[in-house]
Amino acid sequence: EVQLLESGGGLVQPGGSLRLSCAASGFTFSSYAMSWVRQAPGKGLEWVSAISGSGGSTYYADSVKGRFTISRDNSKNTLYLQMNSLRAEDTAVYYCAKGGEPVGAAAGLLGYWGQGTLVTVSS
Amino acid sequence: DIQMTQSPSSLSASVGDRVTITCRASQGISNYLAWYQQKPGKVPKLLIYAASTLQSGVPSRFSGSGSGTDFTLTISSLQPEDVATYYCQKYNSALLTFGGGTKVEIK
Repeated sequence: EVQLLESGGGLVQPGGSLRLSCAASGFTFSSYAMSWVRQAPGKGLEWVSAISGSGGSTYYADSVKGRFTISRDNSKNTLYLQMNSLRAEDTAVYYCAKGGEPVGAAAGLLGYWGQGTLVTVSS
Repeated sequence: DIQMTQSPSSLSASVGDRVTITCRASQGISNYLAWYQQKPGKVPKLLIYAASTLQSGVPSRFSGSGSGTDFTLTISSLQPEDVATYYCQKYNSALLTFGGGTKVEIK
């Protein structure tokens, strides 16, 4: 059974940093691309970032480019999102999601999602 | 960047009604279009991919169609358990984009 468990969320001041983790199990982690998707309170889904199965390719939404860094440790079956220079508009539930293949179009098919971790940016 | 526009943003229909949600891409995306269902307080669930292929386990009352820039999600007979927000998503490139969502309620 595929399981994705996010952690690392919490309250942080504007300008601060936070690192999210997503522990994966139930599948061959290195064989699939992974994404982070966020949802601000009462709002829709916003894709944040993606990484290929090998970790060699990374992609970002314009809204987080230069501030967030996605990475993965395939030996630990764990996905990360390092968030720097946080802003109030980054407040959201952050979900990690499993893609459909390591690279290519189906890498963007998000068939499994974690339960999410809440990040609140406020002074 | 390709934008995804859904309409309507919300709708209210009776049990048994046929419900149609549309999604328009600002540029052609072939059939690289997925639909997700998010029930209140729950995690999003993949319903349809490749514009018209049902994910395993999804009831057959759900269907998708379209190609290029215009896509449709149809619920042939709305059920109470279908109350949710539905999102389209394009995946023709590594830069993913979701539509704004359509909230479906029971009248």
